[in-house]
Amino acid sequence: NAGVTQTPKFQVLKTGQSMTLQCAQDMNHEYMSWYRQDPGMGLRLIHYSVGAGITDQGEVPNGYNVSRSTTEDFPLRLLSAAPSQTSVYFCASSPVGVFGKLFFGSGTQLSVL
Amino acid sequence: KNEVEQSPQNLTAQEGEFITINCSYSVGISALHWLQQHPGGGIVSLFMLSSGKKKHGRLIATINIQEKHSSLHITASHPRDSAVYICAVGGNQFYFGTGTSLTVIP
Repeated sequence: NAGVTQTPKFQVLKTGQSMTLQCAQDMNHEYMSWYRQDPGMGLRLIHYSVGAGITDQGEVPNGYNVSRSTTEDFPLRLLSAAPSQTSVYFCASSPVGVFGKLFFGSGTQLSVL
Repeated sequence: KNEVEQSPQNLTAQEGEFITINCSYSVGISALHWLQQHPGGGIVSLFMLSSGKKKHGRLIATINIQEKHSSLHITASHPRDSAVYICAVGGNQFYFGTGTSLTVIP
């Protein structure tokens, strides 16, 4: 099992560009989620999904879109990147939501110039 | 407004010391998680608690639901325990503390 695979590891964007961060898991987990980690602020939930076709907003959803067409994949889209979106992004999955062990991807370091 | 508060923010210990990291939360929760973030950035789950106490090797985690408080203890600390330890609480969604940076000196 690969666990949670997150790509890319590093990305530099210009303001206004769009991109998609990929997240895939091979553990058949229903719960998947995206977080951003900023210095001094801890991890913050962006969006989450409790199953294919179901997504919901977290604490900081503005500027980000998600979709969940399959159990395995949960991509995060930045439609028009802004410098405030410079951060480290983590994807995580769990078999049973908040009651399950969280499995994290290795993270994406994103810089928006 | 921080739903999850951790203390201390930074902790330096000598190898072999007993370590305690505290987590207090203000929201209603269904479960509390302790995570470890390695110096390279990777995050792994240590414990999930909804009540009582759990032990895994030298790590012990406790939770007091009434007081909205959890502690993570490390017995006989070792330099390889050096990492950031993060408390996360889950109700409708997850909220995270800002982490406790632990350095264990040989």
